[in-house]
Amino acid sequence: GENVEQHPSTLSVQEGDSAVIKCTYSDSASNYFPWYKQELGKGPQLIIDIRSNVGEKKDQRIAVTLNKTAKHFSLHITETQPEDSAVYFCAASKGSARQLTFGSGTQLTVLP
Amino acid sequence: DVKVTQSSRYLVKRTGEKVFLECVQDMDHENMFWYRQDPGLGLRLIYFSYDVKMKEKGDIPEGYSVSREKKERFSLILESASTNQTSMYLCASRTNQPQHFGDGTRLSIL
Repeated sequence: GENVEQHPSTLSVQEGDSAVIKCTYSDSASNYFPWYKQELGKGPQLIIDIRSNVGEKKDQRIAVTLNKTAKHFSLHITETQPEDSAVYFCAASKGSARQLTFGSGTQLTVLP
Repeated sequence: DVKVTQSSRYLVKRTGEKVFLECVQDMDHENMFWYRQDPGLGLRLIYFSYDVKMKEKGDIPEGYSVSREKKERFSLILESASTNQTSMYLCASRTNQPQHFGDGTRLSIL
C-alpha cells in the first residue's frame, strides 16, 4: 500500500518568515495530494490540494509543489503569521482508491 | 458549508465496556471514514463505508466494528474497550475529493 513520510515533525519560524514542509510518497500511481491544517481542538481542514497533472498551485500565501519523478511534494507558507500555528498533514491517494494515506504531521509554531 | 458532526467531544469509559461513537454528515456524501489520531502517527484509517450497509476495513480495524444503516450516519463501535484504544477519533465524509472532517471525539478508556 501507499506510504507517506512527512518532515519535519516540528517547525518553528519567526513571524514574517517562510515555512516549508515536505512529504514523500511511495506509490507512483498516486495522483491526488491534499494538505490539511488542524488547529487545537478542531478537526483537520483542507487548505490546498494538487493533482498530478499540475506541478504547482498557489493560493495567496500558500503554495504546493509536486515532483512526480522524485515522488515528493511540499507545502510553502510565506509571510507567516501567528494564526498559521497549527498541525499540518499531507496526504496522498490514487484515483481508484477511496481512502487517503496521511503523513505523520508537522507542528508549526510561528513566533511573534 | 459541509457539516460533519460527531456526537461527543469527550468521552470516558471503562475497560470492557461497549462504546459507540456517532457521526452524522449533512451533504449526502457517499463515502464516510473513521480515523484515529495519535501523536507522531498521523491519522490512521480504521474503517470506511462507500454506501449504506457497506463497509471496508482500513489499516487498523482490529478491536473495532462499524455500522451504516442510513446514508448520513456512520457509527464506530468498540466491542470491548481496552486502554490502548484511548485516542482521538475523527470522522470524515466525501463524495468526490476533498474529505471533510468532524472536530473529533477524545476517548479515554480507564
